Amino acid sequence: GAVVSQHPSWVICKSGTSVKIECRSLDFQATTMFWYRQFPKQSLMLMATSNEGSKATYEQGVEKDKFLINHASLTLSTLTVTSAHPEDSSFYICSATQGAQIETQYFGPGTRLLVL
Amino acid sequence: AQTVTQSQPEMSVQEAETVTLSCTYDTSESDYYLFWYKQPPSRQMILVIRQEAYKQQNATENRFSVNFQKAAKSFSLKISDSQLGDAAMYFCAVPFQGAQKLVFGQGTRLTINP
Repeated sequence: GAVVSQHPSWVICKSGTSVKIECRSLDFQATTMFWYRQFPKQSLMLMATSNEGSKATYEQGVEKDKFLINHASLTLSTLTVTSAHPEDSSFYICSATQGAQIETQYFGPGTRLLVL
Repeated sequence: AQTVTQSQPEMSVQEAETVTLSCTYDTSESDYYLFWYKQPPSRQMILVIRQEAYKQQNATENRFSVNFQKAAKSFSLKISDSQLGDAAMYFCAVPFQGAQKLVFGQGTRLTINP
């Protein structure tokens, strides 16, 4: 149980285009979903927290107009990187929890984004 | 400030031996969980073990155990009988802001020598 999927796993796009990444909880309802960014050989950095039906809460320094997050249902959250640039190239990981408090976060397999 | 510190960027151990990874943190939360996650080359984050802060007994999951020192805010991971499949990046994670989000340490890269 507690499986989280991400799609796509790999995406290459041209500079200036937008890319959407989906995060789904397959066998549970996710009260809260989180989006992380991970640069090579570095730790996970939280970008934003999203709750179903409400606006996402962004961490300091994360541009909300550049990284659009939508949490339309209890099983789906999307991250859209708008007007992508090479510096947005990174590994993006989502996670989900079932309750209001963080007991355990279940992670998706990640999406590798390369912007040319 | 929210800080989670893993002071060992890299560790190596002989197969079948025991290794301990350290983690210290600073939190004002009173009731929380602490986590160790493993990230193998596939980059999938895998939960290794979690500790409930209000429990004095250290958590154990098969070959993995923790040494939780609440007063010292220390949370180390011990891996016994190391196996080649244990090779990975290991991250400890601590919740902040009313336990609504996790902050991760810098990670420790564990190498298992056959």
